Amino acid sequence: AQKITQTQPGMFVQEKEAVTLDCTYDTSDPSYGLFWYKQPSSGEMIFLIYQGSYDQQNATEGRYSLNFQKARKSANLVISASQLGDSAMYFCAMREEGTGNQFYFGTGTSLTVIP
Amino acid sequence: GAVVSQHPSWVICKSGTSVKIECRSLDFQATTMFWYRQFPKQSLMLMATSNEGSKATYEQGVEKDKFLINHASLTLSTLTVTSAHPEDSSFYICSAFRTGKETQYFGPGTRLLVL
Repeated sequence: AQKITQTQPGMFVQEKEAVTLDCTYDTSDPSYGLFWYKQPSSGEMIFLIYQGSYDQQNATEGRYSLNFQKARKSANLVISASQLGDSAMYFCAMREEGTGNQFYFGTGTSLTVIP
Repeated sequence: GAVVSQHPSWVICKSGTSVKIECRSLDFQATTMFWYRQFPKQSLMLMATSNEGSKATYEQGVEKDKFLINHASLTLSTLTVTSAHPEDSSFYICSAFRTGKETQYFGPGTRLLVL
């Protein structure tokens, strides 16, 4: 089974609107971390936000927030007030405590912000 | 923030030559670094886990004699593509794991073109 599933290959959003990128995960490890990375066309992977499995509150970083629903094993990324510079690939990733520092990546979602 | 550099960013070489890519964590020490390969429009594919002072752990299907990894210090890991062939052309990206933040921080990547 896939550890990380991103079901949206491509998404479009109007500038200044909010957008949700979906991510579901599969693990039996009680301790894990969830991450979102942004990859613009330049190729660099930019760390956006982190959510620990024991965190009680949803993580937020500026315009990014993580909608963590543990029972549903989902960790959706919400980008508020989209900007043209948000157009990029977005990858969801997971680290399980039991498997060391290795990350499992999803297949990514390509986000295009429309002016 | 955490800064990881990667050098060179671009390399074009003839078939049969060897290419060395350097990955440095500039503002933190990393006992673990990772090397990934990424094909266009695809997710990251983990090639190997590089641990400082010990041999790298290669993923299944990755030839350790072709992709030599050395992690000689807490801030530097190198990937050498030996006897490169056109099928080795790809985007190679490294990351460094930052303990405490429990997060991987990525270098900007290296685009390799083998003619």
